[in-house]
Amino acid sequence: AQKVTQAQTEISVVEKEDVTLDCVYETRDTTYYLFWYKQPPSGELVFLIRRNSFDEQNEISGRYSWNFQKSTSSFNFTITASQVVDSAVYFCALRPASGGSYIPTFGRGTSLIVHP
Amino acid sequence: DVKVTQSSRYLVKRTGEKVFLECVQDMDHENMFWYRQDPGLGLRLIYFSYDVKMKEKGDIPEGYSVSREKKERFSLILESASTNQTSMYLCASSPNGQGVTDTQYFGPGTRLTVL
Repeated sequence: AQKVTQAQTEISVVEKEDVTLDCVYETRDTTYYLFWYKQPPSGELVFLIRRNSFDEQNEISGRYSWNFQKSTSSFNFTITASQVVDSAVYFCALRPASGGSYIPTFGRGTSLIVHP
Repeated sequence: DVKVTQSSRYLVKRTGEKVFLECVQDMDHENMFWYRQDPGLGLRLIYFSYDVKMKEKGDIPEGYSVSREKKERFSLILESASTNQTSMYLCASSPNGQGVTDTQYFGPGTRLTVL
């Protein structure tokens, strides 16, 4: 069975602060994919990143960075110099890479509020 | 760009009504999904389909059914709507295979209120 835990239900920061959203997962699969999605107030989930389990290289995209650590089963997401437009619910998800299952398991989401 | 559209953004129905939620994707994806999203519970999978006329139950299929007569369209049906089905419904699609393109793409959601 798979499980994704986003322990932070809601985070509130002031603009320009750095913020890290935690994601911890459990799986018995040896290969898997990890995802982050952003859901702004408009409601549509927007894909942010996909990471393979065999690629532990961290990734940076502008103000966004992701820290994947297989040893601690974590895939944390950091926003540097947060902006009001970053306010959204962020979901972490896990999906097996083999076995024919296309069903990801989502965490419950972290609501990020960035105050001006 | 992948486009997943849902027939309504907001819907208000009465208890006992039959409700149809439509989802259409334009990228020839094999897999389609219906989720409901409730505060504090995240996304929960209702049904999914990996091919035309094929369907599989997700985690919470009770009270719902689905139809996939064409590859691009996946319908969610509430046979007799109840107040506990008031929720945000999200449709998603993804291609087959295990390459870099197998990410799920989501529609804008339908906020259903059952009175």
